[in-house]
Amino acid sequence: QSVLTQFASVSGSPGQSITISCTGTSSDIGSHNYVSWYQQHPGKVPKLIIYEVTKRPSGVSNRFSGSKSDNTASLTISGLQAEDEADYYCCSYVDGRTFLYMFGTGTTVTVL
Amino acid sequence: EVQLVESGGGIFQPGGSLRLSCAASGFTFRSFEMNWVRQAPGQGLEWVSYISGSARSKRYADSVWGRCTISRDNSKNSMFLQINNLRAEDTAIYYCVRPSFGGQWDFAYWGQGILVTVSS
Repeated sequence: QSVLTQFASVSGSPGQSITISCTGTSSDIGSHNYVSWYQQHPGKVPKLIIYEVTKRPSGVSNRFSGSKSDNTASLTISGLQAEDEADYYCCSYVDGRTFLYMFGTGTTVTVL
Repeated sequence: EVQLVESGGGIFQPGGSLRLSCAASGFTFRSFEMNWVRQAPGQGLEWVSYISGSARSKRYADSVWGRCTISRDNSKNSMFLQINNLRAEDTAIYYCVRPSFGGQWDFAYWGQGILVTVSS
């Protein structure tokens, strides 16, 4: 059971846009559209911010957007704000022999 | 309001067993798949196990396969996770998690988590 690969850290200045990538394989991200993204502030519970690659749950800022190309999913944060400083995790439905989901390694976003 | 409350955490001996519980409220429990997700101290998220609404389908991560049993009691709106032959690497916060809609493959609702420490 592998994990999805994310860069360890990304930083940006307030107002800028940043993109977090999540690389998998043709057996996971590349085979369906069940990719989700989670935001986790230190000491807090993870929060769903994107599901099915591009969809935002009610109440999530439209500054967050998702996309996918081949085996790589991406999360873009536009108009970066101090409150966006957090850890971000991608997750893919996999439907393997025994397991069902894989999380990414996580990306720490720092607002400069 | 959807509420998920975990219990049963604590300090456990290597080689021992644990049984975590998740009490659900605010929705029709039997209509939703449920999952356990864990997070080791300072580490990332790891999906652990899945159970369908009827409990007919169960899945496990490779890291716990053969040592773990997920179950649910729809009459009591509760889900359980038993892990045997505990290892130090099972030390983590364990979250009870529900998808946004029945049949949806995401983790929309999370409990507050319960800490499990495996140490002699």
